[in-house]
Amino acid sequence: EIVLTQSPGTLSLSPGERATLSCRASQSVSSSYLAWYQQKPGQAPRLLIYGASSRATGIPDRFSGSGSGTDFTLTISRVEPEDFAVYSCHQYGSSPYTFGQGTKLEIK
Amino acid sequence: EVQLLESGGGLVQPGGSLRLSCAASGFTFSSYTMSWVRQAPGKGLEWVSVISGGGDVTNYADSVKGRFTISRDNSKNTLYLQMNSLRADDTAVYYCARGGYGSGWWPWGQGTLVTVSS
Repeated sequence: EIVLTQSPGTLSLSPGERATLSCRASQSVSSSYLAWYQQKPGQAPRLLIYGASSRATGIPDRFSGSGSGTDFTLTISRVEPEDFAVYSCHQYGSSPYTFGQGTKLEIK
Repeated sequence: EVQLLESGGGLVQPGGSLRLSCAASGFTFSSYTMSWVRQAPGKGLEWVSVISGGGDVTNYADSVKGRFTISRDNSKNTLYLQMNSLRADDTAVYYCARGGYGSGWWPWGQGTLVTVSS
């Protein structure tokens, strides 16, 4: 099983700042099948990034993903008020498919 | 509009059974692998099960293997999760999602809450 470890657990930023979220895998993620989701309280996860760096339909270009192998990053270039939420990484290249424990992006 | 809508959640006693449904619309349902994912209160996401477009290939998380069964009816555009021998630690919001190996998982349903308690 591929274990995904996200850091930091909580990230406190002000609107307009840059956010950098990390996801480290316990073994290499097949074909960069790594996704990032945003989740707000009481809502379903929203796909932001798939294939490590491809933005999903309708996702603003302030969101970007990078990385390969075991180290992946989600970057929000300038955090907007609506971006404060929990972000989870997900590998879908090797069963069992696994998720990181999440990074909470909160308002400073 | 591509959409998934879960139903069937509720309160069930330990050892009981429940069947969840996920109605799909806006896309060719039979062409897509589908998955179930759950989220316990205040916890992260946990993959539960996956089924191929034709329904002939399935896979399960170890935590539910032998107790849960995933299936689909492509004529009704509906995905199912039969849950037997339910335990307290199965308490979670259950989501269906379009996706499996090698594809970004989108969309997700709104989720249905399953509570296992006496």
